[in-house]
Amino acid sequence: GNSVTQMEGPVTLSEEAFLTINCTYTATGYPSLFWYVQYPGEGLQLLLKATKADDKGSNKGFEATYRKETTSFHLEKGSVQVSDSAVYFCAPNAGGTSYGKLTFGQGTILTVHP
Amino acid sequence: SAVISQKPSRDICQRGTSLTIQCQVDSQVTMMFWYRQQPGQSLTLIATANQGSEATYESGFVIDKFPISRPNLTFSTLTVSNMSPEDSSIYLCSVEGGGGGEKLFFGSGTQLSVL
Repeated sequence: GNSVTQMEGPVTLSEEAFLTINCTYTATGYPSLFWYVQYPGEGLQLLLKATKADDKGSNKGFEATYRKETTSFHLEKGSVQVSDSAVYFCAPNAGGTSYGKLTFGQGTILTVHP
Repeated sequence: SAVISQKPSRDICQRGTSLTIQCQVDSQVTMMFWYRQQPGQSLTLIATANQGSEATYESGFVIDKFPISRPNLTFSTLTVSNMSPEDSSIYLCSVEGGGGGEKLFFGSGTQLSVL
């Protein structure tokens, strides 16, 4: 089965700082890769995704590139805001028809201070 | 998009009892997924529920402990049976959506505490 190693937190940054959250995975086949985010008091929601090698997913200023050769999907943002404070989860899926079978990383808590 | 209503949002239960969690979706979906998030840990898939067939359980989860019903395309229940404190977790219902079905929508979760 799949496995995910995600950068441990918590991560604390000042506003406008650069963010990287590392994520590497092991998987059989060719999974799609996802970053999910959980804002305080809210449910889990999709932040971005990439479905094949070299694809770049982007949303809300966040980016992540599907690196098949290094089996990585690192999340980056050039200038974080206080509103980005949340828990971030990296998750490959099982591929094929099993879209919903995600393997989640342990989550990285991000806190951004003004 | 899909809107998922999950009930109850939280509960405190006694050891040895059972709790049934309901998940209602505002559109018809083929597959529904139940995840568990134990305190301080990540999400783990419990089972996949298809309408009209038995749920498929992941390694480490069994039907006797986590029976699932899927009576129609918009509703599912997960029961946590014979609870122990180790079952204290957040339980989340999710469904596929979006173009290509590769996006998951999650309910807000049920926070279960077992005393």
